Amino acid sequence: NAGVTQTPKFRILKIGQSMTLQCTQDMNHNYMYWYRQDPGMGLKLIYYSVGAGITDKGEVPNGYNVSRSTTEDFPLRLELAAPSQTSVYFCASSYLGTSSYEQYFGPGTRLTVT
Amino acid sequence: TQLLEQSPQFLSIQEGENLTVYCNSSSVFSSLQWYRQEPGEGPVLLVTVVTGGEVKKLKRLTFQFGDARKDSSLHITAAQPGDTGLYLCAGNFGNEKLTFGTGTRLTIIP
Repeated sequence: NAGVTQTPKFRILKIGQSMTLQCTQDMNHNYMYWYRQDPGMGLKLIYYSVGAGITDKGEVPNGYNVSRSTTEDFPLRLELAAPSQTSVYFCASSYLGTSSYEQYFGPGTRLTVT
Repeated sequence: TQLLEQSPQFLSIQEGENLTVYCNSSSVFSSLQWYRQEPGEGPVLLVTVVTGGEVKKLKRLTFQFGDARKDSSLHITAAQPGDTGLYLCAGNFGNEKLTFGTGTRLTIIP
């Protein structure tokens, strides 16, 4: 199993550009999450999904969109990138049947908006 | 919004010393997890505690859940350079989401 994979690993965007961060998991997990991690800060939840076709906002959803057409994939879309979106983005998954929602993380995407 | 406070924010100690880091909330957790994150990587789960007063050990790491399930601690005995990293606690408050603390950045000096 590859676990949770994310692409790209690094990206530099100009202000106003758009991009999609890819996330795939091969563990057949129902739950998937997107977080951002700013320097010196913990993880803030952007969006999450409890299953294919179902998504919901987290703590900091503004400026982002998601979709979940399959169990495996959970892409994060940035429209009109802004410097405030410079951060490290992590995708995570968790399995149905857990009462604690332990999460498995990908390696992250480091995004710089200039 | 539930908040998790971790202390200290930074900790730098010599190899072989002992240390404790803390995670506190004003709300009751359904469960609490500890993760370790190394530079350039995603967090990796260390342990989950569920029952008030629960103690779990992972080699030289001891995790304790407070009796009231509002706080937790991580104690490391005889710290080694391989323990260096960012330690994150994450609380579950009865739904499918986790709330993460801001982390304790630990450096072990050889």
